[in-house]
Amino acid sequence: ETGVTQTPRHLVMGMTNKKSLKCEQHLGHNAMYWYKQSAKKPLELMFVYNFKEQTENNSVPSRFSPECPNSSHLFLHLHTLQPEDSALYLCASSQPPSNTEAFFGQGTRLTVV
Amino acid sequence: QKEVEQDPGPLSVPEGAIVSLNCTYSNSAFQYFMWYRQYSRKGPELLMYTYSSGNKEDGRFTAQVDKSSKYISLFIRDSQPSDSATYLCAMSAQGGSEKLVFGKGTKLTVNP
Repeated sequence: ETGVTQTPRHLVMGMTNKKSLKCEQHLGHNAMYWYKQSAKKPLELMFVYNFKEQTENNSVPSRFSPECPNSSHLFLHLHTLQPEDSALYLCASSQPPSNTEAFFGQGTRLTVV
Repeated sequence: QKEVEQDPGPLSVPEGAIVSLNCTYSNSAFQYFMWYRQYSRKGPELLMYTYSSGNKEDGRFTAQVDKSSKYISLFIRDSQPSDSATYLCAMSAQGGSEKLVFGKGTKLTVNP
């Protein structure tokens, strides 16, 4: 295991539902990330948090709302998603200032119906 | 032109073969180059990390960077079925994980 745990592993939700993805890291890192991985597309960075402060929002639609209550936990709140939002959502963490290696969780496979 | 180009494959080789995986890029500012390995139903894990041009070797794996050609490679010697995975190249200009640009990944299968 990488020390980054994501729950749930699989999620099916309707377009009108509200759900949350959870990420927890046990590595003592102070930077956490959300990535989206779609079939046949490169990994896309969505959000970055450094020391609990959001430092990057990569033009992500507002139907995705991140939350970082402390350096060990990261959430992604989802509401009124579209079928094209179906993807693998990956959480990662790293240690500033070098941030050389990002440790990834196993991801949440999200299907929007 | 996309910033990072990587042939998605799939690539299928017999056990023991030498595997060559490649990426090209367009941004001449990239200086940090990484290869990640992603097994099915798992997140990516860092395999090799290289700064600037040159070669780096780690066991059966060799990473090469040719900045003049904007071309990076990962070689796997004596490939094993356990090497079957998707290999993602990633690179950045500033070295931080938040600035990584990923390729699409190449799916490799090593047949016993």
